[in-house]
Amino acid sequence: DVKVTQSSRYLVKRTGEKVFLECVQDMDHENMFWYRQDPGLGLRLIYFSYDVKMKEKGDIPEGYSVSREKKERFSLILESASTNQTSMYLCASSTQRGGQYFGPGTRLTVL
Amino acid sequence: AQTVTQSQPEMSVQEAETVTLSCTYDTSESDYYLFWYKQPPSRQMILVIRQEAYKQQNATENRFSVNFQKAAKSFSLKISDSQLGDAAMYFCAYRSPLSGNQFYFGTGTSLTVIP
Repeated sequence: DVKVTQSSRYLVKRTGEKVFLECVQDMDHENMFWYRQDPGLGLRLIYFSYDVKMKEKGDIPEGYSVSREKKERFSLILESASTNQTSMYLCASSTQRGGQYFGPGTRLTVL
Repeated sequence: AQTVTQSQPEMSVQEAETVTLSCTYDTSESDYYLFWYKQPPSRQMILVIRQEAYKQQNATENRFSVNFQKAAKSFSLKISDSQLGDAAMYFCAYRSPLSGNQFYFGTGTSLTVIP
């Protein structure tokens, strides 16, 4: 059974903290994605990666960075968390032409 | 960027009835893929159905089927014999290898199933 896991389901951080969100997939997928999901705005792409050490900016990369040192792991980093980054963060992976498989999401609250 | 539009923010259906969720998209490409995803309340997003643009036959997965109209750029999802477990947010998505392999999502349709 395919699986995408995220390091935390719920996370509470303070403004200015550095935040790491980890995502691991066990399907040997080339592509990995980070989205944030907010009510009424749907899914917005933050970054995606089509190979190890490769990354591409999505629609809303400001305030975020990513790291992909191994094929199965894709990390999202909030360099200095702000309250407007309070959101649900979804990780996904896919093959080159297939659909995405999503993780359970991390609900991040920044106080 | 490609545009995916779901014009129905909310829909409802009686249990055991059939409901159709609408999706339109804007593209000039010929090679692409379309998807429907389901996200139950507080649960994981899962892939429901997938359609390749070059296939004329509409995809079907059990009670879920699509009506793919390539010329009209329309990709609707039909749920037959609706069940309480079908209540969820449904997202339509577009993907093209020519667009950097990104996925473009609609804003979703919230489906309520009435017992």
